[in-house]
Amino acid sequence: SAVISQKPSRDICQRGTSLTIQCQVDSQVTMMFWYRQQPGQSLTLIATANQGSEATYESGFVIDKFPISRPNLTFSTLTVSNMSPEDSSIYLCSVRGSRYEQYFGPGTRLTVT
Amino acid sequence: QKEVEQNSGPLSVPEGAIASLNCTYSDRGSQSFFWYRQYSGKSPELIMSIYSNGDKEDGRFTAQLNKASQYVSLLIRDSQPSDSATYLCSPETDSGNTPLVFGKGTRLSVIA
Repeated sequence: SAVISQKPSRDICQRGTSLTIQCQVDSQVTMMFWYRQQPGQSLTLIATANQGSEATYESGFVIDKFPISRPNLTFSTLTVSNMSPEDSSIYLCSVRGSRYEQYFGPGTRLTVT
Repeated sequence: QKEVEQNSGPLSVPEGAIASLNCTYSDRGSQSFFWYRQYSGKSPELIMSIYSNGDKEDGRFTAQLNKASQYVSLLIRDSQPSDSATYLCSPETDSGNTPLVFGKGTRLSVIA
């Protein structure tokens, strides 16, 4: 299994500002994923980030709002831009294991006021 | 659109009983299946993987897979209050070339 850390673990931000979330993995992985989970809801995939290529975004998510970087095989960032209260959520980084399973980071709890 | 259906619950069982969690999926090509446990305020944790038809046991957990019926289940024997969580079912799709699809989860409550 992979050990994943995320920074920050939580933050309170003002609307209109941006927050960058970092995801660090203890091993090299090809596929990394970013999810959002709003209170009481299921996981929603934001994008897939493969090293060396542009991130692939799911319907309803755009690069201008959620830019992603993937500079190497152990690290990725997700930025939530021009935040509004609707962006208040838990943001989760996830990586693919060796048999299609996925492992999740501890999450970043974002509150936008 | 790949679909994963789970009863959202809550499913309430008394301590010591067997909890049975069910999941159906739409992609007949799925070969690998995963169960995750998510405590309130925490991230999902992988607890079981199953790759072939039949049963797979791991401690108090048993995963059951029936690919012909597109059905996968998770049994928790001797349920404990610490098992109270949301359980997410997830089949692999597209031979692993796409992220896992997650059901909405079943909320389990084990009553002491």
